[in-house]
Amino acid sequence: DTAVSQTPKYLVTQMGNDKSIKCEQNLGHDTMYWYKQDSKKFLKIMFSYNNKELIINETVPNRFSPKSPDKAHLNLHINSLELGDSAVYFCASSPRRSSYEQYFGPGTRLTVT
Amino acid sequence: DAKTTQPPSMDCAEGRAANLPCNHSTISGNEYVYWYRQIHSQGPQYIIHGLKNNETNEMASLIITEDRKSSTLILPHATLRDTAVYYCIVRVAMGYGGGADGLTFGKGTHLIIQP
Repeated sequence: DTAVSQTPKYLVTQMGNDKSIKCEQNLGHDTMYWYKQDSKKFLKIMFSYNNKELIINETVPNRFSPKSPDKAHLNLHINSLELGDSAVYFCASSPRRSSYEQYFGPGTRLTVT
Repeated sequence: DAKTTQPPSMDCAEGRAANLPCNHSTISGNEYVYWYRQIHSQGPQYIIHGLKNNETNEMASLIITEDRKSSTLILPHATLRDTAVYYCIVRVAMGYGGGADGLTFGKGTHLIIQP
């Protein structure tokens, strides 16, 4: 069974479009995250979400918004996509807030043309 | 959080122990050392973490020097599947205001296991 899953695995879209990436974890964890890995392979935190509390990395544009329908899901919505949004996006989860033992999904490669 | 320094790349022969160093000379008393790896085209994978005692699990061993300024991740019998980028991360311990803002990954060490 996949612990943290993401869909889609690949996403190709045009500038200006709005898209969503879904994430689900079946580990019963309380906290979920979104990370972005750019073309230089640097991996940076975008959001963490715990019990309806959202912590946002201040560098993330407000075009990005995470939405959590329940504790097992944290979806990422991106409005008005730009070329610079092209990257691999990873979802992760951890047993509780402040746990750095995190479990990552397989990633979604987003290409904006 | 303390900054970490790792060699950009290392080679190791298959079947031998792979020893990956990490320098964290500015680490403070309430900071843990975490190790992750990222195999090509996959998400990062948690390996192990420790505060000051040596730790061992089914994947690896973590040796932290007595002054805590450096550590070594040991993969006891490296296989080709261990080829990956290994990240050493220092983070504030739980209950000390850490967490919630996620992990900060540096450039890591690209470990290549040679057949």
